[in-house]
Amino acid sequence: ELVLTQSPGTLSLSPGERATLSCRASQIFASAYLAWYQQKPGQAPRLLIYGASSRATGIPDRFSGSGSGTDFTLTISRLEPEDFAVYYCQQYGSLPRTFGQGTKVEIK
Amino acid sequence: EVQLVQSEAEVKKPGESLKISCKGSENSFTNYWIGWVRQMPGRGLEWMGIIYPAVSDIKYSPSFQGHVTISADKSTSTAYLQWSSLRASDTAVYYCARQGPFLHSYFDLWGRGTLVTVSS
Repeated sequence: ELVLTQSPGTLSLSPGERATLSCRASQIFASAYLAWYQQKPGQAPRLLIYGASSRATGIPDRFSGSGSGTDFTLTISRLEPEDFAVYYCQQYGSLPRTFGQGTKVEIK
Repeated sequence: EVQLVQSEAEVKKPGESLKISCKGSENSFTNYWIGWVRQMPGRGLEWMGIIYPAVSDIKYSPSFQGHVTISADKSTSTAYLQWSSLRASDTAVYYCARQGPFLHSYFDLWGRGTLVTVSS
Protein backbone atom coordinates (compact mmCIF):
# COMPACT_ATOMS: atom_id res chain seq x y z
CA GLU A 1 0.00 0.00 0.00
CA LEU A 2 1.29 3.42 -0.96
CA VAL A 3 1.56 5.57 2.18
CA LEU A 4 1.20 9.36 1.98
CA THR A 5 2.69 11.44 4.78
CA GLN A 6 1.60 15.05 5.10
CA SER A 7 3.51 17.76 6.93
CA PRO A 8 3.19 19.72 9.01
CA GLY A 9 0.28 18.36 11.01
CA THR A 10 -0.85 21.87 11.84
CA LEU A 11 0.06 25.16 10.20
CA SER A 12 -0.69 28.36 12.15
CA LEU A 13 -0.80 31.37 9.87
CA SER A 14 -2.49 34.74 9.52
CA PRO A 15 -4.82 35.82 6.70
CA GLY A 16 -2.77 37.12 3.79
CA GLU A 17 0.17 34.82 4.49
CA ARG A 18 1.41 32.05 2.23
CA ALA A 19 0.74 28.43 3.14
CA THR A 20 2.93 25.58 1.94
CA LEU A 21 1.70 22.04 2.58
CA SER A 22 3.72 18.93 1.87
CA CYS A 23 2.69 15.42 0.86
CA ARG A 24 5.37 12.73 0.60
CA ALA A 25 4.77 9.27 -0.85
CA SER A 26 6.40 6.06 0.33
CA GLN A 27 7.24 5.16 -3.26
CA ILE A 28 7.40 6.83 -6.63
CA PHE A 29 4.15 6.94 -8.56
CA ALA A 30 2.83 8.79 -11.57
CA SER A 31 2.32 12.40 -10.53
CA ALA A 32 -0.69 12.52 -12.80
CA TYR A 33 -2.51 10.65 -10.04
CA LEU A 34 -2.26 13.01 -7.06
CA ALA A 35 -5.20 15.08 -5.77
CA TRP A 36 -5.73 17.59 -2.98
CA TYR A 37 -8.98 18.11 -1.08
CA GLN A 38 -10.15 20.73 1.38
CA GLN A 39 -12.46 19.88 4.26
CA LYS A 40 -14.15 22.32 6.60
CA PRO A 41 -15.78 21.27 9.90
CA GLY A 42 -19.06 19.46 9.37
CA GLN A 43 -18.67 19.44 5.60
CA ALA A 44 -17.72 16.91 2.98
CA PRO A 45 -14.31 17.21 1.36
CA ARG A 46 -14.02 19.34 -1.77
CA LEU A 47 -11.68 18.67 -4.68
CA LEU A 48 -9.08 21.41 -5.13
CA ILE A 49 -6.33 19.95 -7.32
CA TYR A 50 -6.02 16.87 -9.52
CA GLY A 51 -3.16 15.57 -11.61
CA ALA A 52 -0.83 17.17 -9.03
CA SER A 53 -1.22 20.65 -10.52
CA SER A 54 -4.59 21.13 -12.25
CA ARG A 55 -7.16 23.22 -10.43
CA ALA A 56 -10.68 21.82 -10.20
CA THR A 57 -13.60 23.82 -11.55
CA GLY A 58 -14.26 26.96 -9.54
CA ILE A 59 -11.11 26.79 -7.44
CA PRO A 60 -9.40 30.20 -7.05
CA ASP A 61 -5.97 30.65 -8.57
CA ARG A 62 -4.41 31.32 -5.16
CA PHE A 63 -4.41 27.51 -4.84
CA SER A 64 -1.66 25.75 -6.74
CA GLY A 65 -0.20 22.26 -6.74
CA SER A 66 3.22 21.05 -7.77
CA GLY A 67 5.60 18.16 -7.43
CA SER A 68 6.52 14.81 -8.89
CA GLY A 69 8.02 11.48 -7.93
CA THR A 70 7.46 11.24 -4.19
CA ASP A 71 7.20 14.90 -3.13
CA PHE A 72 4.16 17.08 -3.73
CA THR A 73 3.17 20.52 -2.52
CA LEU A 74 -0.04 22.47 -2.18
CA THR A 75 0.50 26.22 -1.99
CA ILE A 76 -2.05 28.83 -1.00
CA SER A 77 -0.50 32.10 -2.07
CA ARG A 78 -2.48 34.45 0.21
CA LEU A 79 -4.73 32.94 2.83
CA GLU A 80 -8.31 34.13 2.85
CA PRO A 81 -10.50 33.63 5.96
CA GLU A 82 -12.40 30.82 4.19
CA ASP A 83 -9.18 28.86 3.55
CA PHE A 84 -8.70 27.84 7.18
CA ALA A 85 -9.53 24.15 7.00
CA VAL A 86 -7.99 20.68 6.81
CA TYR A 87 -6.27 19.62 3.60
CA TYR A 88 -5.75 16.06 2.40
CA CYS A 89 -3.68 14.66 -0.42
CA GLN A 90 -4.77 11.44 -2.14
CA GLN A 91 -3.13 9.16 -4.65
CA TYR A 92 -5.27 7.43 -7.24
CA GLY A 93 -2.56 5.63 -9.17
CA SER A 94 -2.54 2.36 -7.28
CA LEU A 95 -4.98 0.24 -5.33
CA PRO A 96 -5.93 0.72 -2.63
CA ARG A 97 -6.21 4.45 -3.04
CA THR A 98 -4.82 6.24 0.01
CA PHE A 99 -5.13 9.62 1.67
CA GLY A 100 -2.57 11.47 3.70
CA GLN A 101 -3.45 12.08 7.33
CA GLY A 102 -4.23 15.74 6.70
CA THR A 103 -2.78 19.16 7.47
CA LYS A 104 -4.85 21.59 9.49
CA VAL A 105 -4.40 25.23 8.53
CA GLU A 106 -5.47 27.32 11.49
CA ILE A 107 -5.65 31.01 12.22
CA LYS A 108 -2.65 32.28 14.16
CA GLU B 1 -27.80 20.41 -9.99
CA VAL B 2 -25.70 17.27 -10.07
CA GLN B 3 -25.43 15.79 -6.60
CA LEU B 4 -25.14 12.63 -4.56
CA VAL B 5 -27.85 12.25 -1.91
CA GLN B 6 -26.97 10.05 1.02
CA SER B 7 -29.32 8.35 3.45
CA GLU B 8 -29.98 9.75 6.90
CA ALA B 9 -27.99 9.15 10.09
CA GLU B 10 -28.33 5.76 11.76
CA VAL B 11 -27.99 4.56 15.35
CA LYS B 12 -27.40 0.83 15.73
CA LYS B 13 -26.28 -1.71 18.29
CA PRO B 14 -23.20 -3.91 17.94
CA GLY B 15 -23.97 -7.02 15.95
CA GLU B 16 -26.82 -5.43 13.99
CA SER B 17 -26.85 -5.12 10.22
CA LEU B 18 -27.06 -1.92 8.22
CA LYS B 19 -27.25 -0.75 4.62
CA ILE B 20 -26.73 2.92 3.75
CA SER B 21 -27.33 4.46 0.37
CA CYS B 22 -26.07 7.07 -2.03
CA LYS B 23 -28.35 8.18 -4.85
CA GLY B 24 -27.13 10.09 -7.84
CA SER B 25 -28.83 11.70 -10.75
CA GLU B 26 -28.57 9.55 -13.84
CA ASN B 27 -25.90 11.74 -15.40
CA SER B 28 -23.81 11.61 -12.21
CA PHE B 29 -24.01 7.82 -12.00
CA THR B 30 -23.87 6.20 -15.39
CA ASN B 31 -20.31 5.71 -16.61
CA TYR B 32 -18.78 6.81 -13.32
CA TRP B 33 -17.20 4.97 -10.44
CA ILE B 34 -18.75 5.58 -7.01
CA GLY B 35 -16.54 5.32 -3.95
CA TRP B 36 -16.97 5.14 -0.20
CA VAL B 37 -14.77 6.96 2.30
CA ARG B 38 -14.81 6.58 6.08
CA GLN B 39 -14.07 9.35 8.55
CA MET B 40 -13.97 8.29 12.16
CA PRO B 41 -14.63 10.98 14.81
CA GLY B 42 -11.85 13.55 14.77
CA ARG B 43 -9.84 11.53 12.27
CA GLY B 44 -8.81 11.66 8.64
CA LEU B 45 -10.22 10.18 5.46
CA GLU B 46 -9.96 6.45 4.69
CA TRP B 47 -10.64 5.01 1.25
CA MET B 48 -12.89 1.95 1.53
CA GLY B 49 -13.56 0.96 -2.05
CA ILE B 50 -15.19 1.83 -5.34
CA ILE B 51 -17.80 0.34 -7.65
CA TYR B 52 -18.54 0.81 -11.35
CA PRO B 53 -22.31 0.33 -11.35
CA ALA B 54 -22.64 -0.34 -15.06
CA VAL B 55 -20.94 -3.73 -14.66
CA SER B 56 -20.67 -4.00 -10.85
CA ASP B 57 -16.89 -4.01 -10.94
CA ILE B 58 -15.77 -3.50 -7.32
CA LYS B 59 -12.39 -2.70 -5.80
CA TYR B 60 -12.01 -2.96 -2.02
CA SER B 61 -9.36 -1.70 0.33
CA PRO B 62 -7.84 -4.71 2.13
CA SER B 63 -8.56 -2.83 5.37
CA PHE B 64 -12.30 -3.12 4.76
CA GLN B 65 -12.73 -6.18 2.56
CA GLY B 66 -14.68 -8.89 4.32
CA HIS B 67 -16.33 -6.51 6.77
CA VAL B 68 -18.36 -4.36 4.38
CA THR B 69 -20.12 -4.97 1.08
CA ILE B 70 -20.33 -2.39 -1.67
CA SER B 71 -23.09 -2.75 -4.24
CA ALA B 72 -25.15 -0.69 -6.63
CA ASP B 73 -28.45 -0.68 -8.48
CA LYS B 74 -27.89 1.04 -11.80
CA SER B 75 -31.64 1.10 -12.53
CA THR B 76 -32.13 3.51 -9.60
CA SER B 77 -28.68 5.17 -9.76
CA THR B 78 -28.04 4.13 -6.17
CA ALA B 79 -24.92 2.78 -4.52
CA TYR B 80 -24.91 0.98 -1.20
CA LEU B 81 -22.58 0.22 1.67
CA GLN B 82 -23.62 -2.52 4.04
CA TRP B 83 -22.53 -4.37 7.14
CA SER B 84 -23.86 -7.71 8.35
CA SER B 85 -22.52 -7.28 11.88
CA LEU B 86 -21.63 -3.81 13.11
CA ARG B 87 -18.93 -3.05 15.67
CA ALA B 88 -18.55 -0.02 17.90
CA SER B 89 -15.46 0.85 15.85
CA ASP B 90 -17.68 1.33 12.78
CA THR B 91 -18.91 4.58 14.31
CA ALA B 92 -18.02 7.19 11.71
CA VAL B 93 -19.25 9.42 8.94
CA TYR B 94 -19.37 7.60 5.62
CA TYR B 95 -19.10 9.63 2.44
CA CYS B 96 -19.90 8.48 -1.03
CA ALA B 97 -18.09 10.22 -3.85
CA ARG B 98 -18.10 10.14 -7.61
CA GLN B 99 -15.00 9.28 -9.54
CA GLY B 100 -14.48 9.76 -13.26
CA PRO B 101 -15.07 6.94 -15.74
CA PHE B 102 -11.49 5.78 -15.69
CA LEU B 103 -10.11 3.52 -12.98
CA HIS B 104 -7.40 6.07 -12.28
CA SER B 105 -9.39 9.12 -11.38
CA TYR B 106 -10.12 11.42 -8.49
CA PHE B 107 -13.31 12.15 -6.54
CA ASP B 108 -14.89 15.23 -8.08
CA LEU B 109 -18.30 15.13 -6.39
CA TRP B 110 -19.09 14.17 -2.80
CA GLY B 111 -22.23 13.37 -0.86
CA ARG B 112 -22.85 15.11 2.46
CA GLY B 113 -22.08 11.99 4.46
CA THR B 114 -24.05 9.54 6.59
CA LEU B 115 -23.27 9.41 10.30
CA VAL B 116 -23.37 5.86 11.63
CA THR B 117 -23.32 5.47 15.40
CA VAL B 118 -22.87 1.99 16.86
CA SER B 119 -23.41 1.81 20.59
CA SER B 120 -24.90 -0.60 23.05
